[in-house]
Amino acid sequence: IVLTQSPGTLSLSPGQRATLSCRASYRVPSDYVAWYLQKPGQAPRLLIYGASTRATGVPDRFSGSGSGTDFTLSISRLEPEDFAVYYCQQYGTSLIFTFGQGTKLEIK
Amino acid sequence: EVQLVQSGAEVKKPGESLKISCKGSGYSFANYWIGWVRQMPGKGLEWMGIIYPGDSDTRYSPSFQGQVTISADKSISTAYLQWSLKASDTAIYYCARVRGITFTIDYWGQGTQVTVSS
Repeated sequence: IVLTQSPGTLSLSPGQRATLSCRASYRVPSDYVAWYLQKPGQAPRLLIYGASTRATGVPDRFSGSGSGTDFTLSISRLEPEDFAVYYCQQYGTSLIFTFGQGTKLEIK
Repeated sequence: EVQLVQSGAEVKKPGESLKISCKGSGYSFANYWIGWVRQMPGKGLEWMGIIYPGDSDTRYSPSFQGQVTISADKSISTAYLQWSLKASDTAIYYCARVRGITFTIDYWGQGTQVTVSS
């Protein structure tokens, strides 16, 4: 499976809404889709799993949705700490995991 | 508190062998898969492979099969990634815990910076 994230870079201002897309090359069970945030110099951090379930401690301004081949991460009101790189990821068969190439969310 | 603590930064020459480690604590290490992820400078995340410390069942990404060896010692709650280095292997290597039924990567190590230069 290939995961294609769009856009590559998203320029927005604090307080705005962000919508990040992840498209799979073929159908993926929603249970196996996750989103991660990575800030410079840090390890990735789990945000969403099962396509729509927030991980522990993740603010409710983050939400995930989608099914089949199209998945979306939305951030309702951007905070300064949300500007980072976001990766979608899916688990496939034989314990192979695939990541999207990432979307950089930058301050406009 | 679940923690994955990785070994420190390494500077090596091409052709040398390297083994980096990832020590888990705060949970039953043997009962969770541990994966390894590479991040080359300025690039995204690449899945390398995974091991189940309980029985050492190991699977590799096709891109890394035969290039690296993943192992674990459950008695000391530590997983390892070992390989012979090429100049192009300069990267940060992360270990990560994989949780149960949804195969979610829920915890990450801090990363090990590996620099390969002649």
